[in-house]
Amino acid sequence: RKEVEQDPGPFNVPEGATVAFNCTYSNSASQSFFWYRQDCRKEPKLLMSVYSSGNEDGRFTAQLNRASQYISLLIRDSKLSDSATYLCVVRDYGGATNKLIFGTGTLLAVQP
Amino acid sequence: DTGVSQDPRHKITKRGQNVTFRCDPISEHNRLYWYRQTLGQGPEFLTYFQNEAQLEKSRLLSDRFSAERPKGSFSTLEIQRTEQGDSAMYLCASSLVTGETQYFGPGTRLLVL
Repeated sequence: RKEVEQDPGPFNVPEGATVAFNCTYSNSASQSFFWYRQDCRKEPKLLMSVYSSGNEDGRFTAQLNRASQYISLLIRDSKLSDSATYLCVVRDYGGATNKLIFGTGTLLAVQP
Repeated sequence: DTGVSQDPRHKITKRGQNVTFRCDPISEHNRLYWYRQTLGQGPEFLTYFQNEAQLEKSRLLSDRFSAERPKGSFSTLEIQRTEQGDSAMYLCASSLVTGETQYFGPGTRLLVL
C-alpha cells in the first residue's frame, strides 16, 4: 500500500464548478500535511498547508481528518487557470529529515 | 531570481554515460533535498543535506548515484553508468532548518537513450 494515495483523475469540470479531491495516508503518526500544485512539466509549488481545524485560502479549502487519515481539497468557482495536477503531501513522521511523501497527484482540467 | 535554480534543465545521454546535475538552493536555506519524479508519479525522496552533511539516503539511491554539498551551498547529483530507468525529472528543494515549506527548483529532465 502506498503511503499517500490519491485518485489520479482526470477530473474534467466546467468553469465555475466546485470540485473536491481526496487523499488518504497510511502513517497515523504523520504530523504535517500539504497540497502542492504542479503545472505540466513544471516544479511542484506549495498551494496550502492543511491544519486539523481546516483552513481556507480564497476559493480553496483544505480539511484534515486525523481519525480517518484523510485529507481533502475543495476548489470553488473553478477557473481555467486552476487546471493542473494537485499533489497531496505528507511530511515524514520521523521529523529529522523533514522529507516529503507525495501522492501520485490528481489531474484537474477545467473546461471553458 | 532568488529561488532554487537547477542546471541543466534538460539532459539527453546515452546509456552507460555519466551525468552530473547542479542545484543552487535559496541562499539562507540550510536544508537541501533531491527528489526524482517519473511520468504519472509524484516526486520521490532521494537524499537530504543539512548544510554540508548528507543525513539520509533513500533506498532508491543505488550505488551509481552520489550527491555532494561540499560547502553547504550548492549541491551536485551524479549518476554513473546511466540506465534507461534513470530517465526522470530530478528535482531539488530547499528549506530553512526551522521551516517546513520546501521550495522546489525547476528540475532537470533526464532522458537516457
